[in-house]
Amino acid sequence: GNSVTQMEGPVTLSEEAFLTINCTYTATGYPSLFWYVQYPGEGLQLLLKATKADDKGSNKGFEATYRKETTSFHLEKGSVQVSDSAVYFCAFVASGGYQKVTFGTGTKLQVIP
Amino acid sequence: NAGVTQTPKFRVLKTGQSMTLLCAQDMNHEYMYWYRQDPGMGLRLIHYSVGEGTTAKGEVPDGYNVSRLKKQNFLLGLESAAPSQTSVYFCASSYGSSGMYTGELFFGEGSRLTVL
Repeated sequence: GNSVTQMEGPVTLSEEAFLTINCTYTATGYPSLFWYVQYPGEGLQLLLKATKADDKGSNKGFEATYRKETTSFHLEKGSVQVSDSAVYFCAFVASGGYQKVTFGTGTKLQVIP
Repeated sequence: NAGVTQTPKFRVLKTGQSMTLLCAQDMNHEYMYWYRQDPGMGLRLIHYSVGEGTTAKGEVPDGYNVSRLKKQNFLLGLESAAPSQTSVYFCASSYGSSGMYTGELFFGEGSRLTVL
């Protein structure tokens, strides 16, 4: 069935370090892919998305590229800040499954000064 | 800028009690969802609605009921609460019309429910 697998956390980085959070998916067809972020005490909010193969989503210095051949959508940022500390969720909507978004289990990121 | 509003934000129940969580959105969205968030489990879909007067089961619907009598409101009910329903509940909404669906969800701030 459809599923999302993302790396387990927590991930602890020093400020200005490079961030990668891995995400792979299992889905038929051509799903749309998303990264959501949840700051402490808040609901999730969309960080970036990509809707077709080789698309790159980007926002707030974060990037992710839709890799159809490896079924991956890894999140990267060149230089993290303390304010990036949050939980990051990879998610997708299967093609034809327009009502439902499937989420990964989330990866907690802690950035220390 | 209300967006998606959930009430209450915190609640403690005893086993067997009932309660209703209310979700209201002011963005005229067609689709609404209820998720629960548990440690190590991510978000799991409980029920969803694709329009006023419609509801459908998600991944973990047992023990919950929902109603969408008005387009802007989506209610989640627990008829007889159990400790396994201790969780953080999130409501979300999204735009969808004539098959146009972006997949972007707008979330409320969550409701933390503890069942003793």
